[in-house]
Amino acid sequence: SQKIEQNSEALNIQEGKTATLTCNYTNYSPAYLQWYRQDPGRGPVFLLLIRENEKEKRKERLKVTFDTTLKQSLFHITASQPADSATYLCALGSGGYQKVTFGIGTKLQVIP
Amino acid sequence: SAVISQKPSRDICQRGTSLTIQCQVDSQVTMMFWYRQQPGQSLTLIATANQGSEATYESGFVIDKFPISRPNLTFSTLTVSNMSPEDSSIYLCSVEGEPGDSTYGYTFGSGTRLTVV
Repeated sequence: SQKIEQNSEALNIQEGKTATLTCNYTNYSPAYLQWYRQDPGRGPVFLLLIRENEKEKRKERLKVTFDTTLKQSLFHITASQPADSATYLCALGSGGYQKVTFGIGTKLQVIP
Repeated sequence: SAVISQKPSRDICQRGTSLTIQCQVDSQVTMMFWYRQQPGQSLTLIATANQGSEATYESGFVIDKFPISRPNLTFSTLTVSNMSPEDSSIYLCSVEGEPGDSTYGYTFGSGTRLTVV
């Protein structure tokens, strides 16, 4: 069955460093991969989408890579700030109207 | 992208009762999605609600337990029926950020935190 793995343990990093979060998947051939941010008591907020034919996508301090051979996406936040502390979810979709499948999310804590 | 108002934000309910969750969107949308997020688990799609037709339920979810209404293109409700403690979860509604274009992701309501005692 399809499986998405995100590190369920919290990631603690020092302010100013680059945070790297991992999303691995098996038994899936996604057309695209999305990343969301979720704060406590709030719904997820869409951040970025990267398609299967794209290697890298950037948006301000965010960078996402997508390696369909490794079946992995990396999500980077450069010059991290305490305000970046949240849970980050990856989601995979097959294109057209197809439901996306979410990972469990990784909690990021940026320490001042 | 659309803005979703979801209510209630939280509730504590007695087992055996039902709770109806409402979502109002500030623009007309064809599809609305209902998710459940249980503690320590990923977002799981319950059903897709299209205006004017029966909702489409995912495996493991049934209409008798989670009836959905979609009376118009801006509003939907999800009812959690005959609740048990296992239904304690966060429930979220969602719409496409841009209809038919996955580039914009999905927009979510703020969620309803349900506790069944």
